[in-house]
Amino acid sequence: DVQLVESGGGLVQPGGSLRLSCAASGFTFSDHYMDWVRQAPGKGLEWVGRIRDKANSYTTEFAASVKGRFTISRDDSKNSLYLQINSLKTEDSAVYFCVRIYGQVVRGANYFAMDVWGQGTTVTVSS
Amino acid sequence: DIQMTQSPSALSASVGDRVTITCRASQGISSYLLWFQQKPGRVPKRLIYAASSLQSGVPSRFSGSGSGTEFTLTISSLQPEDFGTYYCLQHNSYPLTFGGGTKVEIK
Repeated sequence: DVQLVESGGGLVQPGGSLRLSCAASGFTFSDHYMDWVRQAPGKGLEWVGRIRDKANSYTTEFAASVKGRFTISRDDSKNSLYLQINSLKTEDSAVYFCVRIYGQVVRGANYFAMDVWGQGTTVTVSS
Repeated sequence: DIQMTQSPSALSASVGDRVTITCRASQGISSYLLWFQQKPGRVPKRLIYAASSLQSGVPSRFSGSGSGTEFTLTISSLQPEDFGTYYCLQHNSYPLTFGGGTKVEIK
Protein backbone atom coordinates (compact mmCIF):
# COMPACT_ATOMS: atom_id res chain seq x y z
CA ASP A 1 0.00 0.00 0.00
CA VAL A 2 1.09 3.54 -0.71
CA GLN A 3 1.99 5.22 2.56
CA LEU A 4 3.29 8.64 3.56
CA VAL A 5 4.29 9.28 7.17
CA GLU A 6 5.21 12.76 8.34
CA SER A 7 7.25 13.56 11.42
CA GLY A 8 9.17 16.41 13.00
CA GLY A 9 6.37 18.69 14.08
CA GLY A 10 6.31 20.35 17.45
CA LEU A 11 6.16 23.54 19.45
CA VAL A 12 8.60 26.24 18.35
CA GLN A 13 9.03 29.90 19.21
CA PRO A 14 8.46 32.64 16.65
CA GLY A 15 11.58 33.11 14.59
CA GLY A 16 12.61 29.53 15.11
CA SER A 17 13.19 26.71 12.66
CA LEU A 18 11.95 23.19 12.18
CA ARG A 19 12.58 20.38 9.72
CA LEU A 20 9.68 18.17 8.79
CA SER A 21 10.15 14.77 7.23
CA CYS A 22 7.92 12.52 5.18
CA ALA A 23 8.77 8.84 4.78
CA ALA A 24 7.33 7.22 1.69
CA SER A 25 6.67 3.55 1.04
CA GLY A 26 4.71 1.33 -1.29
CA PHE A 27 5.68 3.11 -4.51
CA THR A 28 8.75 4.25 -6.44
CA PHE A 29 9.30 7.52 -4.61
CA SER A 30 11.96 8.79 -7.00
CA ASP A 31 9.50 8.80 -9.90
CA HIS A 32 7.13 11.28 -8.30
CA TYR A 33 6.88 14.99 -7.70
CA MET A 34 5.86 15.67 -4.12
CA ASP A 35 3.91 18.50 -2.49
CA TRP A 36 3.47 19.96 0.96
CA VAL A 37 0.04 21.26 1.98
CA ARG A 38 -0.90 22.80 5.32
CA GLN A 39 -4.05 23.41 7.28
CA ALA A 40 -4.24 25.93 10.10
CA PRO A 41 -6.50 24.99 13.02
CA GLY A 42 -10.14 25.22 11.94
CA LYS A 43 -9.17 26.59 8.52
CA GLY A 44 -9.02 25.39 4.95
CA LEU A 45 -6.22 23.81 2.96
CA GLU A 46 -3.26 25.81 1.70
CA TRP A 47 -0.71 24.57 -0.81
CA VAL A 48 2.82 25.20 0.45
CA GLY A 49 5.15 23.97 -2.26
CA ARG A 50 6.36 21.28 -4.64
CA ILE A 51 9.57 19.49 -5.52
CA ARG A 52 10.03 17.84 -8.87
CA ASP A 53 11.94 14.66 -9.58
CA LYS A 54 15.59 14.12 -10.56
CA ALA A 55 14.72 14.23 -14.26
CA ASN A 56 13.50 17.78 -13.64
CA SER A 57 16.52 18.72 -11.53
CA TYR A 58 14.63 18.63 -8.23
CA THR A 59 13.35 22.12 -8.91
CA THR A 60 10.85 23.63 -6.49
CA GLU A 61 7.82 25.92 -6.41
CA PHE A 62 6.42 27.73 -3.39
CA ALA A 63 3.44 29.71 -2.25
CA ALA A 64 4.18 33.40 -1.84
CA SER A 65 3.44 33.20 1.88
CA VAL A 66 6.40 30.89 2.50
CA LYS A 67 8.80 31.71 -0.31
CA GLY A 68 12.26 32.54 1.01
CA ARG A 69 11.55 30.98 4.41
CA PHE A 70 10.69 27.39 3.45
CA THR A 71 12.87 24.92 1.56
CA ILE A 72 11.83 21.56 0.13
CA SER A 73 14.33 18.79 -0.46
CA ARG A 74 14.29 15.05 -0.95
CA ASP A 75 16.56 12.07 -0.57
CA ASP A 76 15.48 9.45 -3.07
CA SER A 77 17.90 6.90 -1.60
CA LYS A 78 15.95 7.14 1.66
CA ASN A 79 12.50 7.56 0.11
CA SER A 80 12.18 10.74 2.10
CA LEU A 81 10.85 14.23 1.59
CA TYR A 82 11.74 17.21 3.77
CA LEU A 83 10.38 20.65 4.53
CA GLN A 84 12.77 23.07 6.20
CA ILE A 85 10.84 25.90 7.75
CA ASN A 86 12.72 28.97 8.99
CA SER A 87 11.80 32.33 10.49
CA LEU A 88 8.59 30.80 11.77
CA LYS A 89 5.58 33.01 12.36
CA THR A 90 2.50 32.34 14.45
CA GLU A 91 0.50 32.10 11.21
CA ASP A 92 2.62 29.10 10.18
CA SER A 93 0.94 27.05 12.91
CA ALA A 94 -0.80 24.24 11.07
CA VAL A 95 -0.92 20.57 10.29
CA TYR A 96 1.53 19.92 7.47
CA PHE A 97 0.74 17.16 5.01
CA CYS A 98 2.99 15.64 2.39
CA VAL A 99 1.17 14.62 -0.78
CA ARG A 100 2.19 12.47 -3.71
CA ILE A 101 1.77 13.72 -7.26
CA TYR A 102 0.52 10.87 -9.43
CA GLY A 103 0.71 10.72 -13.20
CA GLN A 104 -1.87 8.99 -15.35
CA VAL A 105 -3.37 9.26 -18.81
CA VAL A 106 -6.68 11.07 -18.84
CA ARG A 107 -8.62 11.50 -22.07
CA GLY A 108 -5.46 10.72 -24.03
CA ALA A 109 -3.20 13.21 -22.25
CA ASN A 110 -0.71 12.94 -19.39
CA TYR A 111 -2.23 14.23 -16.18
CA PHE A 112 -0.32 14.82 -12.95
CA ALA A 113 -2.15 15.61 -9.75
CA MET A 114 -2.25 15.15 -5.98
CA ASP A 115 -3.54 11.80 -4.89
CA VAL A 116 -2.31 10.19 -1.64
CA TRP A 117 -1.83 12.27 1.53
CA GLY A 118 0.11 11.55 4.68
CA GLN A 119 -1.61 11.80 8.05
CA GLY A 120 0.09 15.12 8.81
CA THR A 121 2.38 16.53 11.47
CA THR A 122 1.46 19.49 13.66
CA VAL A 123 3.55 22.63 13.92
CA THR A 124 2.69 25.11 16.64
CA VAL A 125 4.45 28.46 16.69
CA SER A 126 4.04 30.20 20.00
CA SER A 127 6.08 31.97 22.63
CA ASP B 1 -2.70 33.95 -8.74
CA ILE B 2 -5.87 32.07 -9.63
CA GLN B 3 -8.63 32.53 -7.06
CA MET B 4 -11.02 29.63 -6.49
CA THR B 5 -14.41 30.75 -5.22
CA GLN B 6 -16.36 27.89 -3.76
CA SER B 7 -20.05 28.02 -2.90
CA PRO B 8 -21.92 27.56 -0.75
CA SER B 9 -19.61 27.70 2.26
CA ALA B 10 -21.95 25.39 4.14
CA LEU B 11 -25.11 23.44 3.50
CA SER B 12 -27.47 21.18 5.38
CA ALA B 13 -29.36 18.53 3.46
CA SER B 14 -31.34 15.37 4.07
CA VAL B 15 -30.39 11.83 3.20
CA GLY B 16 -31.38 11.21 -0.40
CA ASP B 17 -31.12 14.86 -1.45
CA ARG B 18 -29.19 15.94 -4.51
CA VAL B 19 -26.35 18.24 -3.46
CA THR B 20 -24.38 20.57 -5.72
CA ILE B 21 -21.20 22.43 -4.86
CA THR B 22 -19.67 24.96 -7.23
CA CYS B 23 -16.15 26.24 -7.75
CA ARG B 24 -15.40 29.22 -9.95
CA ALA B 25 -11.89 30.00 -11.10
CA SER B 26 -10.79 33.60 -11.61
CA GLN B 27 -9.27 32.55 -14.94
CA GLY B 28 -9.45 29.51 -17.16
CA ILE B 29 -7.90 26.33 -15.79
CA SER B 30 -8.99 23.86 -18.48
CA SER B 31 -9.78 20.64 -16.59
CA TYR B 32 -6.99 20.91 -14.03
CA LEU B 33 -9.33 20.62 -11.08
CA LEU B 34 -9.57 18.16 -8.21
CA TRP B 35 -12.27 17.64 -5.59
CA PHE B 36 -11.43 16.40 -2.10
CA GLN B 37 -13.54 15.31 0.84
CA GLN B 38 -12.24 15.84 4.36
CA LYS B 39 -13.96 14.47 7.43
CA PRO B 40 -13.22 15.99 10.86
CA GLY B 41 -9.80 14.96 12.10
CA ARG B 42 -9.09 13.03 8.92
CA VAL B 43 -6.89 13.39 5.88
CA PRO B 44 -8.36 14.80 2.65
CA LYS B 45 -9.49 12.13 0.23
CA ARG B 46 -9.50 12.65 -3.53
CA LEU B 47 -12.94 12.16 -5.07
CA ILE B 48 -12.64 13.60 -8.56
CA TYR B 49 -9.65 14.37 -10.79
CA ALA B 50 -9.44 16.10 -14.15
CA ALA B 51 -12.70 17.86 -13.24
CA SER B 52 -14.92 14.90 -14.08
CA SER B 53 -13.07 11.60 -13.58
CA LEU B 54 -14.20 9.55 -10.59
CA GLN B 55 -11.42 8.31 -8.32
CA SER B 56 -11.29 4.54 -8.05
CA GLY B 57 -13.24 3.32 -5.04
CA VAL B 58 -15.37 6.45 -4.73
CA PRO B 59 -19.13 5.81 -4.88
CA SER B 60 -20.77 6.62 -8.19
CA ARG B 61 -23.19 9.04 -6.52
CA PHE B 62 -20.30 11.53 -6.68
CA SER B 63 -19.73 13.25 -10.01
CA GLY B 64 -17.84 16.26 -11.29
CA SER B 65 -18.38 18.47 -14.29
CA GLY B 66 -17.12 21.65 -15.85
CA SER B 67 -14.19 23.09 -17.68
CA GLY B 68 -12.56 26.48 -17.96
CA THR B 69 -13.79 28.55 -15.06
CA GLU B 70 -16.92 26.85 -13.73
CA PHE B 71 -16.97 23.48 -12.02
CA THR B 72 -19.50 21.45 -10.11
CA LEU B 73 -19.38 18.56 -7.67
CA THR B 74 -22.67 16.73 -7.40
CA ILE B 75 -23.76 14.14 -4.88
CA SER B 76 -26.78 12.55 -6.54
CA SER B 77 -28.27 11.05 -3.38
CA LEU B 78 -26.73 12.25 -0.13
CA GLN B 79 -25.78 9.50 2.31
CA PRO B 80 -25.11 9.78 6.08
CA GLU B 81 -21.40 9.12 5.55
CA ASP B 82 -21.05 12.06 3.15
CA PHE B 83 -20.75 14.64 5.93
CA GLY B 84 -17.56 16.64 5.98
CA THR B 85 -15.91 19.49 4.15
CA TYR B 86 -15.36 19.47 0.41
CA TYR B 87 -12.57 21.37 -1.31
CA CYS B 88 -11.74 22.07 -4.91
CA LEU B 89 -8.14 22.58 -6.03
CA GLN B 90 -6.84 24.09 -9.24
CA HIS B 91 -3.48 22.80 -10.45
CA ASN B 92 -3.34 24.55 -13.80
CA SER B 93 -0.71 27.03 -12.65
CA TYR B 94 1.41 27.98 -9.68
CA PRO B 95 0.62 28.69 -6.97
CA LEU B 96 -1.88 25.89 -6.68
CA THR B 97 -5.00 27.19 -4.96
CA PHE B 98 -7.82 25.58 -3.03
CA GLY B 99 -11.37 26.76 -2.75
CA GLY B 100 -12.47 27.89 0.69
CA GLY B 101 -14.38 24.68 1.36
CA THR B 102 -18.00 23.63 1.67
CA LYS B 103 -19.11 22.09 4.94
CA VAL B 104 -21.83 19.51 4.36
CA GLU B 105 -24.10 18.63 7.24
CA ILE B 106 -26.71 15.89 7.28
CA LYS B 107 -30.09 17.06 8.58
